[in-house]
Amino acid sequence: GENVEQHPSTLSVQEGDSAVIKCTYSDSASNYFPWYKQELGKGPQLIIDIRSNVGEKKDQRIAVTLNKTAKHFSLHITETQPEDSAVYFCAAGGGGSQGNLIFGKGTKLSVKP
Amino acid sequence: DTAVSQTPKYLVTQMGNDKSIKCEQNLGHDTMYWYKQDSKKFLKIMFSYNNKELIINETVPNRFSPKSPDKAHLNLHINSLELGDSAVYFCASSQGGGGNYGYTFGSGTRLTVV
Repeated sequence: GENVEQHPSTLSVQEGDSAVIKCTYSDSASNYFPWYKQELGKGPQLIIDIRSNVGEKKDQRIAVTLNKTAKHFSLHITETQPEDSAVYFCAAGGGGSQGNLIFGKGTKLSVKP
Repeated sequence: DTAVSQTPKYLVTQMGNDKSIKCEQNLGHDTMYWYKQDSKKFLKIMFSYNNKELIINETVPNRFSPKSPDKAHLNLHINSLELGDSAVYFCASSQGGGGNYGYTFGSGTRLTVV
C-alpha cells in the first residue's frame, strides 16, 4: 500500500523567512496530494492541494510543487508570519490501492517574531 | 453552520466503561471517516463509510464499532475502554472516496481514559 514520508518533523524559522516541507510517496498510481494545517486544539484544515496533472500550484503565500518522476511533493510558505505556526500534514491518495488518504507524520512549524 | 461537528469535545472516563462519540456533516458529502490522532500527532484511519456502507475497517479492536444511520452521520461506540484508547478522535467527510478528494475534519474529541 501507499506510504508517505514527511520531513522535517520540526521546523523553526524567523518571521519573514521561507519554510519548506517535503514529502515522498511510494505508490506511483497516487494522483491527489493535499496539505493540511492543524492549529492547537483544532482539526486539520485543507490549505492547498495538487493533482498529478499539474506540477505547481500557488495560493498567495503558499505553493505546492509535485515531481511525479521522483514521487515527491513539497509545501512552500513565503514571508512566514507567527500565525503560520502549526502542525502541517501532507497526504497522498487516489492511487486505487487504498480507499483513503494516507497522511505523513506531520511537521511542527514554529515562526518566531 | 458548522460543516463537520463532533460531540462531545472532551470525554474523560474510567477504564472498562462504554462511550460514544457522535459526528454529523452538513456538506452533502457521501463519505465519512474516523481517524485517531495519538500523542505524537500521527493521524491513523480507523473506519470509512460511503453512503452508510462500511468501506474501510483498519486493524482496530472490535471494541470499536461505527454506526452510520444515514450518510450525514457517523457515530463511534467504544466498549470496555482501555488506557491505550486515550487519544484525539477526528471525524471527517469528503465528496467521494478513494482518496481522490480533500477531507473536511471536525474539531476532534479528546478522549482520556483514567
